Amino acid sequence: SFVVTQSPSVSVAPGQTASISCAGDNIGSKTVHWYHQRPGQAPVLVVYNDSERPSGIPGRFSASNSGNTATLTIARVEAGDEADYYCQVWDIRDDHPSVFGTGTKVTVL
Amino acid sequence: EVQLVETGGGSIQPGGSLRLSCAVSGFSVRNNCMTWVRQAPGKGLEWVSLIFSRGTTYYVDSVKGRFTISRDESNNALFLQMNNLRAEDTAVYYCARGESYSGYAMDVWGKGTAVIVSS
Repeated sequence: SFVVTQSPSVSVAPGQTASISCAGDNIGSKTVHWYHQRPGQAPVLVVYNDSERPSGIPGRFSASNSGNTATLTIARVEAGDEADYYCQVWDIRDDHPSVFGTGTKVTVL
Repeated sequence: EVQLVETGGGSIQPGGSLRLSCAVSGFSVRNNCMTWVRQAPGKGLEWVSLIFSRGTTYYVDSVKGRFTISRDESNNALFLQMNNLRAEDTAVYYCARGESYSGYAMDVWGKGTAVIVSS
């Protein structure tokens, strides 16, 4: 099945920009969704269809997907953004249509 | 109110069986893609299984032949029958909804139910 790799951790100061990458072979040909998960809580969708934001997710969250890398960018990072972030790759043509990335821990300094 | 509530978790010995349930309210389980996702202690999310509105099902390789996803449209519920459980199945199991217009991104999640497989 499709293998998706994320960097284990990202540290960022408040007010700065965090970038989280999701790497996979020709991932740009697939659909990527992003979630964050705080300790002890269920995941929350923050981006769908590569770059769309659900209602209630601030515009500070943006994303792109091209080539072998999908990227989630969090601008003007706040303390409340500290969480684990997961990409989910979706390809209905695959025998395993859904796979999660390995997850990235975002720490706000 | 749109809500998912998982039940049925617990402690079980290796080789045993459990049936997880996900009570759905606020939308029809029949009209959506429904997914089970699990998270082992201290680990990341793992997609386990899904059922499309038309009834097609998919499984991660590690559970194929052991787990079965199903739904009860009259009671608006989702299930995961788990047989021949192994220690590596120990995890919190979440059910989630995915809608086609959003590329089946999971926009609604339950709080999860814990499964512990241990002798």
